[in-house]
Amino acid sequence: DAGVIQSPRHEVTEMGQEVTLRCKPISGHNSLFWYRQTMMRGLELLIYFNNNVPIDDSGMPEDRFSAKMPNASFSTLKIQPSEPRDSAVYFCASSRGSIYEQYFGPGTRLTVT
Amino acid sequence: AQSVAQPEDQVNVAEGNPLTVKCTYSVSGNPYLFWYVQYPNRGLQFLLKYITGDNLVKGSYGFEAEFNKSQTSFHLKKPSALVSDSALYFCAVRPLSGGYNKLIFGAGTRLAVHP
Repeated sequence: DAGVIQSPRHEVTEMGQEVTLRCKPISGHNSLFWYRQTMMRGLELLIYFNNNVPIDDSGMPEDRFSAKMPNASFSTLKIQPSEPRDSAVYFCASSRGSIYEQYFGPGTRLTVT
Repeated sequence: AQSVAQPEDQVNVAEGNPLTVKCTYSVSGNPYLFWYVQYPNRGLQFLLKYITGDNLVKGSYGFEAEFNKSQTSFHLKKPSALVSDSALYFCAVRPLSGGYNKLIFGAGTRLAVHP
């Protein structure tokens, strides 16, 4: 299995631009998670989906952030408009269920100037 | 509030010596417990988990962890550290009440193994 796939791996954009991060979970996994990691705040759960349905988006910082999962093999995290404080590494992870571990993608390093 | 504590920001150990990375948790009931490792510029990698049964669980790369219910701890251990073990380690818990399989992560402990 290819593991969790994220794209792009690096993104540099200017403040105010729209940014879209993409994730392909491992086939057969029914839960998908978006995390953000920064030095200051550590690892934060932004949102997670179960069977393509958003279950908990309480970690989404503000309305500028949105996430979708149109099918079992694809999810997006969108930031519009982006701000410098959004600079971070964004991870996607997937899991088969509650007793199973989460598998993390390689992350997208976002830099907003 | 449910939480996970990793009391040490960094642990330093000499190569060949045993290592321990501490984790305590505060959740209701008996949670599922996990350890992950993160190498520089990489995603988190699963090391081991405790679901039920034997309190001592063994995982990847020679790591093991002991679940202690009375102390609500799940410390990560390795009998003989390697320089290549140097990385960031995260403890995580999955409460059994609600939340599907959402994990609560600790802040992480940086392990530095010196030659």
